[in-house]
Amino acid sequence: DSGVTQTPKHLITATGQRVTLRCSPRSGDLSVYWYQQSLDQGLQFLIQYYNGEERAKGNILERFSAQQFPDLHSELNLSSLELGDSALYFCASSPGVGFLANYGYTFGSGTRLTVV
Amino acid sequence: AQSVSQHNHHVILSEAASLELGCNYSYGGTVNLFWYVQYPGQHLQLLLKYFSGDPLVKGIKGFEAEFIKSKFSFNLRKPSVQWSDTAEYFCAVNAQKGSSNTGKLIFGQGTTLQVKP
Repeated sequence: DSGVTQTPKHLITATGQRVTLRCSPRSGDLSVYWYQQSLDQGLQFLIQYYNGEERAKGNILERFSAQQFPDLHSELNLSSLELGDSALYFCASSPGVGFLANYGYTFGSGTRLTVV
Repeated sequence: AQSVSQHNHHVILSEAASLELGCNYSYGGTVNLFWYVQYPGQHLQLLLKYFSGDPLVKGIKGFEAEFIKSKFSFNLRKPSVQWSDTAEYFCAVNAQKGSSNTGKLIFGQGTTLQVKP
């Protein structure tokens, strides 16, 4: 157990639907990062939140959004789902930004999303 | 744009063979460098990291990596692999420093290592 909790572990949904993925960071970590892992694209950075605020944005589609709540858990919302959105979605956490970001991440176990 | 290139996509070795996985990055400034491992069905785990000091970094499970700044490389090595090292290995770079560092990591495409018993 890495200390980063992601739910659900598996999700199967139909095209056009909306899903919410949840991530609880390791205790004491303020930064949360979301990544999408697919066979053809590898690990793609989506978005980062630090202490409730968006800090960095990557290749995140407009159909996707995220937020971080006061208790520091984060949710990734995926809407109007397409077959190509099927992937493993990882959340990671780190102590913070600046020099605290030098230490790398702790990853969760991921949510495997299958769009049918 | 920053990028990370892992030259070997799939490596097959016999137990006790030596391992070297290549990693090059493109970024002119100072960097933090990482290797992560993903065992089948599991989350990514940190193997080792470099952000300053001795360019030869030792990690868990007998792995080490050498940062060669002039070559923009951070190759992963292990003198003698075991069947349990079968996994996917990812090199990653954090190309921001100081107070502006968000911690964002750019990952390579990964290298699948298969160790035959």
